[in-house]
Amino acid sequence: DAGITQSPRHKVTETGTPVTLRCHQTENHRYMYWYRQDPGHGLRLIHYSYGVKDTDKGEVSDGYSVSRSKTEDFLLTLESATSSQTSVYFCAISSTSGGDTQYFGPGTRLTVL
Amino acid sequence: DQQVKQNSPSLSVQEGRISILNCDYTNSMFDYFLWYKKYPAEGPTFLISISSIKDKNEDGRFTVFLNKSAKHLSLHIVPSQPGDSAVYFCAASERQGAQKLVFGQGTRLTINP
Repeated sequence: DAGITQSPRHKVTETGTPVTLRCHQTENHRYMYWYRQDPGHGLRLIHYSYGVKDTDKGEVSDGYSVSRSKTEDFLLTLESATSSQTSVYFCAISSTSGGDTQYFGPGTRLTVL
Repeated sequence: DQQVKQNSPSLSVQEGRISILNCDYTNSMFDYFLWYKKYPAEGPTFLISISSIKDKNEDGRFTVFLNKSAKHLSLHIVPSQPGDSAVYFCAASERQGAQKLVFGQGTRLTINP
């Protein structure tokens, strides 16, 4: 298994509060991604990073920001959580040599009340 | 606009028989395709991939077929085993290394003993 951890694994928060999810990898892979999984939608890309301090938006980036200050960590922040952001969030990593094969973390279940 | 579609939300197959999961796409620029398997409370696991220069790729019990003219791919599992019961996602990208995967909604496969 690829060395990817996510924290926290579960979180319940209230509307309007800030939330930060962390993804940590031990593979030294260049690329890191954040997805959300919702019923009927599969996985949708929120943001991704192609290097330290290099990030770009995905399909559903509104309401989310990311930061990557070192290779191993990729943070996803909800500045002011809303109920529509209740979801399961997955981090993924890939290397340039791996092509498009992305390897996923275990996920974080976020509930916004 | 769903660029990758899995039109069967669920599929039930008897143990030992063949499971066939289908996926359609609309973006003619997609040229790399992947299948992921997901168990409850875990992250998706990479299963098999295929490049558009091929029409078939095989790995043990798993075979992926690509029909570019029909914009259709399928995953065959034979023989099906109880441990294959999971949700299967197909994904596509515009070129290998593009790092942006677009996922289908998923198909829940149940293998009955």
